Amino acid sequence: TQLLEQSPQFLSIQEGENLTVYCNSSSVFSSLQWYRQEPGEGPVLLVTVVTGGEVKKLKRLTFQFGDARKDSSLHITAAQPGDTGLYLCALGDDKIIFGKGTRLHILP
Amino acid sequence: DTGVSQNPRHKITKRGQNVTFRCDPISEHNRLYWYRQTLGQGPEFLTYFQNEAQLEKSRLLSDRFSAERPKGSFSTLEIQRTEQGDSAMYLCASSFGGYEKLFFGSGTQLSVL
Repeated sequence: TQLLEQSPQFLSIQEGENLTVYCNSSSVFSSLQWYRQEPGEGPVLLVTVVTGGEVKKLKRLTFQFGDARKDSSLHITAAQPGDTGLYLCALGDDKIIFGKGTRLHILP
Repeated sequence: DTGVSQNPRHKITKRGQNVTFRCDPISEHNRLYWYRQTLGQGPEFLTYFQNEAQLEKSRLLSDRFSAERPKGSFSTLEIQRTEQGDSAMYLCASSFGGYEKLFFGSGTQLSVL
């Protein structure tokens, strides 16, 4: 059974600061997705990473897939209050499972 | 709007009652997923369908839970004899193919009193 762990569980930082959140699996996986969820809504896909060592950028967000394809990170530069939300990683080829998420709060 | 639609958005029920939720996926999507999410947690997998076939059901799901997708389009999730521990957000998502982008609905928030 694959286990996805996300850290930290909670993160509260000031606007303008940088941050990194992590997702780790107990086994190798072929690809991984990052989602962002706001209160009262379903998660929305941010990115899919596929190749070991891959780096993808989405404006101020940088996603990295570990060389061994067992871990991934999400780095946010110059965080803004609009970045507040629950950040989830997910994996699976058929049954897609999610980590518990990192709840991010950006203080203005 | 051709996104995933879930109804109702909110449901309040008394313990012991049965409830049914509906999910209408994006029309061309052949896969449909149900998840349950409690406060502060990530979505927990319940079950998923490819077309009308239910391919997997979580072992965590008791026999009180049943899901159907009779014509490979919309799906229903029924909970019989609800318990207070069933209170959660029930999310539906759809995708085209295997490991594809999941499109989520806004969920049904269930409160069991």
